[in-house]
Amino acid sequence: DTEVTQTPKHLVMGMTNKKSLKCEQHMGHRAMYWYKQKAKKPPELMFVYSYEKLSINESVPSRFSPECPNSSLLNLHLHALQPEDSALYLCASSQPGERWQYFGPGTRLTVT
Amino acid sequence: KQEVTQIPAALSVPEGENLVLNCSFTDSAIYNLQWFRQDPGKGLTSLLLIQSSQREQTSGRLNASLDKSSGRSTLYIAASQPGDSATYLCAVRLNSGNTPLVFGKGTRLSVIA
Repeated sequence: DTEVTQTPKHLVMGMTNKKSLKCEQHMGHRAMYWYKQKAKKPPELMFVYSYEKLSINESVPSRFSPECPNSSLLNLHLHALQPEDSALYLCASSQPGERWQYFGPGTRLTVT
Repeated sequence: KQEVTQIPAALSVPEGENLVLNCSFTDSAIYNLQWFRQDPGKGLTSLLLIQSSQREQTSGRLNASLDKSSGRSTLYIAASQPGDSATYLCAVRLNSGNTPLVFGKGTRLSVIA
C-alpha cells in the first residue's frame, strides 16, 4: 500500500470556524509533511514531523496548528483563517532515508 | 538557499511529438531529484526519482536525466498523448534526512489531439 489519504477532499469554512484536516498513511513512514499550494504556484512547505515530533515549522501563522497523534496520522487544525489561506493543502510522507516522498490527493480549502 | 527553475513555464505540442522539459537548481549538493505530475486541482503523482549518484531513470515513455555538476535535469516524454496534459513539477531534496522537497514552479503541458 503506497497510498496517502486525506480528508475531506473539499472544505469551505468561515473566518470564525474551527476545522481540521486529516492525513493518514499505513506505509510505516516516520516522517510526515504539510504543504500549502496556491493556484498556479508550486507547493510550499509548512511543517515536518519526524517520529511524531515537530521538526520543521516554516514560520507558519499560529492559526494553523499541526498535530501528529501517532505514526500513521497527521492533522492540521484550522482556526480564524483568512480568505488568503484558501489553497490546496497537501500531505506527504516518507521513511527517514527513503528516497521517495509520497503525496496525498490534497484538501481544497476555501475560506469565506 | 536552493532555488529550482523550470523552463518553459508552458508548452503546447501536437499529439505524437517527443518533448523535453527542463529543470535547473542552484546548489548541486542534492540528495535526489524527483519529477511529479499534477492534474488541475489534484495532488501530486510521482513519476521518476533520480538519486544524486545516478544519471538517468526510465519509466515507459518517460526518461529523466540528471547532470548534478551543472545543476540540470531533463524530463523526456516520447510520443506524447493528450492524456499527458498536466503540470510537471521538478523537486530536489538536499539530504537523506527528513528534509522537505524544494519545488520548481512547474511546466504546464498541453498535448493537442
